Amino acid sequence: GAVVSQHPSWVICKSGTSVKIECRSLDFQATTMFWYRQFPKQSLMLMATSNEGSKATYEQGVEKDKFLINHASLTLSTLTVTSAHPEDSSFYICSVLAGGGYEQYFGPGTRLTVT
Amino acid sequence: SQQGEEDPQALSIQEGENATMNCSYKTSINNLQWYRQNSGRGLVHLILIRSNEREKHSGRLRVTLDTSKKSSSLLITASRAADTASYFCATDVGGTASKLTFGTGTRLQVTL
Repeated sequence: GAVVSQHPSWVICKSGTSVKIECRSLDFQATTMFWYRQFPKQSLMLMATSNEGSKATYEQGVEKDKFLINHASLTLSTLTVTSAHPEDSSFYICSVLAGGGYEQYFGPGTRLTVT
Repeated sequence: SQQGEEDPQALSIQEGENATMNCSYKTSINNLQWYRQNSGRGLVHLILIRSNEREKHSGRLRVTLDTSKKSSSLLITASRAADTASYFCATDVGGTASKLTFGTGTRLQVTL
């Protein structure tokens, strides 16, 4: 399957600052990537679908101006959490759509803590 | 919401025993997938079963799908301590986006 990396693996930031999380597909050209958020002991919730060269598609209830997604190349998508608040503290995971369009391969996740 | 419910929420067994997890969902699907997540890590794809399939095997894993009941089960045979993780089912309703909706997950603990 596809190998996906995320950077950073964890980050602590102060309230009001912005944080950028990178998702890289290391061995696969990913037209489509997904961003998820996972709160402790909960399931993954899809935030948005990132499409290379076009605007991301956000799920209902996800603020697109707060969670900026850029998918500028076939190997890199970035998620920027703008003006972060403590309630944005979560585990953010990206995935790459592969396997003929059905299987998703996930990055290791980024733990964001906003103080 | 399409989000699936998984049962049980938590399961503790001894090494060598079998572990069965169940997943129910609400609407018609294109396929259903099972993933494993070790604590604080990303997800690992285990197996995909299409809506026209009823059973699938992969090593010690056996997945069944009953579309009439909108449910699936994951059986791990001869469990090992390394199987300790959370297991999630995820449904794909099809279409161009292939978006996944994850179930609530089962936390499996395998003890020696």
